[in-house]
Formats: sequence, structure tokens, C-alpha cells
Amino acid sequence: KQEVTQIPAALSVPEGENLVLNCSFTDSAIYNLQWFRQDPGKGLTSLLLIQSSQREQTSGRLNASLDKSSGRSTLYIAASQPGDSATYLCAVMAGANNLFFGTGTRLTVIP
Amino acid sequence: DAMVIQNPRYQVTQFGKPVTLSCSQTLNHNVMYWYQQKSSQAPKLLFHYYDKDFNNEADTPDNFQSRRPNTSFCFLDIRSPGLGDAAMYLCATSRDLRAAERGYTFGSGTRLTVV
Repeated sequence: KQEVTQIPAALSVPEGENLVLNCSFTDSAIYNLQWFRQDPGKGLTSLLLIQSSQREQTSGRLNASLDKSSGRSTLYIAASQPGDSATYLCAVMAGANNLFFGTGTRLTVIP
Repeated sequence: DAMVIQNPRYQVTQFGKPVTLSCSQTLNHNVMYWYQQKSSQAPKLLFHYYDKDFNNEADTPDNFQSRRPNTSFCFLDIRSPGLGDAAMYLCATSRDLRAAERGYTFGSGTRLTVV
């Protein structure tokens, strides 16, 4: 069974720092990997989707990479802002209909 | 904008009193999902519809049911809510089962409180 792990569970950084969030998964047979943002008490907002054939995706200050063979993905956030404070979840799509989530990294950006 | 809309945002229900949560989508996606997310945990898939075909996860309690009367709407019915059912309920859609093109799109969630 696919297992998704996110490290660290929580992270605090001062405003302006660049940071990396990590996601690892145990089975490399995936269709895609998606990074989500979740604000407290809210739903999930999709940030980036990487297909299994891709190595990375970029959107504004966010860059996500995928190394399928090693079962790893990173989400890089450049020049962090207090508004980036949220929980970041990665999820891998493995098999029809099976979306496996990590438990997330709770990010706090300190002004 | 095309989106997934969940109503209500907050729902309080009494122990044992049936409750229905609503989800609608304007994306015309074939697949609709219901997830349960408890505090500090990852979302857990309850069931999904591919078009009109209903698929229940093996460990989803019988207390949870779902209806999809048309492409746009999907409902989650909790027949007899218990205190352990208090959670955030998330609706999501995808174009197909592999979510190949755009991945999953989630709604804003309904937070259910059971008193």
C-alpha cells in the first residue's frame, strides 16, 4: 500500500526566507503528484500538479519537483511571506481513484 | 469561475439526527469524491461516483451514504451522526479516474459539529 510521508510536520521561518517542504512516497508507480494548501478550517487549494513523466512545475514563487524513481517530491517556496502560512499537503495518484495524502507540513512565516 | 461549491460551510447537528451535506460543481467533471478529514489528519476517502457508478471504500461505515442525482450535484447523508463523525467533509472532483489533466479540485469543505 502506498504511504506518503511529509517532513517536517511543522516549520517556522522568518519572512523573506526561501524554504523547502519534503514529500516521500513508497511506491514509485504513480500517475501524478499534487501539492495542496490548506488554511485553518478551510478546504484544499491545488497549488501544483506534476505528471509522472514530468520533473518539475512552477507557479509564481512556487516550484515543485518530482523524482519518481527515488519516491520524492519537494515544494520550494521563494521569498516567503506571512500569507504563505498554512498547511501544505502532498498527494500521489496511484491506481484509478486512489489519491494518497501525506499528513502535511504546517508552515508559519513570521513577519 | 468554474468551481466546486459546498454547502453549508458549517453544520451543527444533534447526536443521532440525520444530516445532509451538499456539493455542486460547474467543471462538468465525471468523478465526484467525498473525503472526511479529522483534526491534524490526512483526508480519508469515503466514496466516489464515476458518472452514476457509486464506489464505496471498504472501511466506510454504513452510516454514510451518498447520492448523485445529476452530473453537477452530489450529497453526503449521515444517517445517525455520532460524536466521532465530527470532522471536516471535503468534496472533490476530477475529470476522470486518473485525474490526468488537472488533478483534483476541492471545495471549501463543510465542518460538521455533533452535539
